[in-house]
Amino acid sequence: QKEVEQNSGPLSVPEGAIASLNCTYSDRGSQSFFWYRQYSGKSPELIMSIYSNGDKEDGRFTAQLNKASQYVSLLIRDSQPSDSATYLCAVKNNNFNKFYFGSGTKLNVKP
Amino acid sequence: NAGVTQTPKFRILKIGQSMTLQCTQDMNHNYMYWYRQDPGMGLKLIYYSVGAGITDKGEVPNGYNVSRSTTEDFPLRLELAAPSQTSVYFCASSPEGFGNSPLHFGNGTRLTVT
Repeated sequence: QKEVEQNSGPLSVPEGAIASLNCTYSDRGSQSFFWYRQYSGKSPELIMSIYSNGDKEDGRFTAQLNKASQYVSLLIRDSQPSDSATYLCAVKNNNFNKFYFGSGTKLNVKP
Repeated sequence: NAGVTQTPKFRILKIGQSMTLQCTQDMNHNYMYWYRQDPGMGLKLIYYSVGAGITDKGEVPNGYNVSRSTTEDFPLRLELAAPSQTSVYFCASSPEGFGNSPLHFGNGTRLTVT
């Protein structure tokens, strides 16, 4: 069983603050890592992907990967109420063609 | 470009009935997946396919069947529906399995079994 763990939350932050979302995974062979945002009643949409150790920035979003610690995180700067959603961490071992998902962290951004 | 299309959007089944959830993609992706998502939970892989004629089980395959006769279509069959199959079902596709390509999701099918 390939496990992906996330704190279910809810994580509440005030508007304009930094939201930090964390994810750990058990499969050391994992090679690709993805963050999806899912609004209530909607399908997941890709926010960011990361494959190498370190940070990757895209606008207000920064993904961080530490393969030695089996840890991936997502930082959201200048959080907006529209960022309120559930954030899913997905991990893929490219040898097995399968994506494994965490249970998601619910983020509430308060105006 | 339609992407991944799922039908129906909603369905209510009685216990013991059968149905097929349809999924089609127009991106010429080889890899296709079926996930289910229970309330407040993440996505669990039911079945996946790496190309036409090839399917394999995921984490929770019991009670389901799939087929992949074309690159575009990947239907999910529920035989003898049970209340435990009440869930939201997502079909997804990816252009490759050995690279870093993400999943592209359909809009989901919300199924209730009563």
